[in-house]
Amino acid sequence: KAGVTQTPRYLIKTRGQQVTLSCSPISGHRSVSWYQQTPGQGLQFLFEYFSETQRNKGNFPGRFSGRQFSNSRSEMNVSTLELGDSALYLCASSVEGTKPQHFGDGTRLSIL
Amino acid sequence: QKEVEQDPGPLSVPEGAIVSLNCTYSNSAFQYFMWYRQYSRKGPELLMYTYSSGNKEDGRFTAQVDKSSKYISLFIRDSQPSDSATYLCAMNEGTDKLIFGTGTRLQVFP
Repeated sequence: KAGVTQTPRYLIKTRGQQVTLSCSPISGHRSVSWYQQTPGQGLQFLFEYFSETQRNKGNFPGRFSGRQFSNSRSEMNVSTLELGDSALYLCASSVEGTKPQHFGDGTRLSIL
Repeated sequence: QKEVEQDPGPLSVPEGAIVSLNCTYSNSAFQYFMWYRQYSRKGPELLMYTYSSGNKEDGRFTAQVDKSSKYISLFIRDSQPSDSATYLCAMNEGTDKLIFGTGTRLQVFP
């Protein structure tokens, strides 16, 4: 069974640009969550989608947004990039809230 | 104060040692407790998943949850150099919003 797939693996952007990251969950998983991982703050929850609806949101500014498609694939968008947005962005999928989450290998975003 | 506290290490042990990793938390509403292992340049890999208090064993790994003390542990028996990684505890209230510890870096030397 294929795991969680995130594309691209690496991205380099400049301040002010916007970026879209993609996540394909494990087949049959309807919940997709996004996390930001930095050396200083560790892993922080961004938001979670289930059946195309955002169910939970973390404490991030509105520049961070996402969506989920009918096939459960999800995208995350960050607009007006700042230097502090440099991080590893991880996607995780699960069957539903009480079940364990499985992570992809992330997209490493670097802002110049 | 963070909701989940975890000693960042690094923790360095010889091959074959028993490793003890721990986390404390402050939110009594947490019900589900997980341990993930993360290798460099990879995503977190789920090791153990437990609900409420008690012990769970899987091969060389044992997870313990003490909700009365708000304390969880992961024990690794017969540690191997391949166990060298960062270990992250995580927990939630039954939703998909996981709260993570900062991670403990473990090094097992031959």
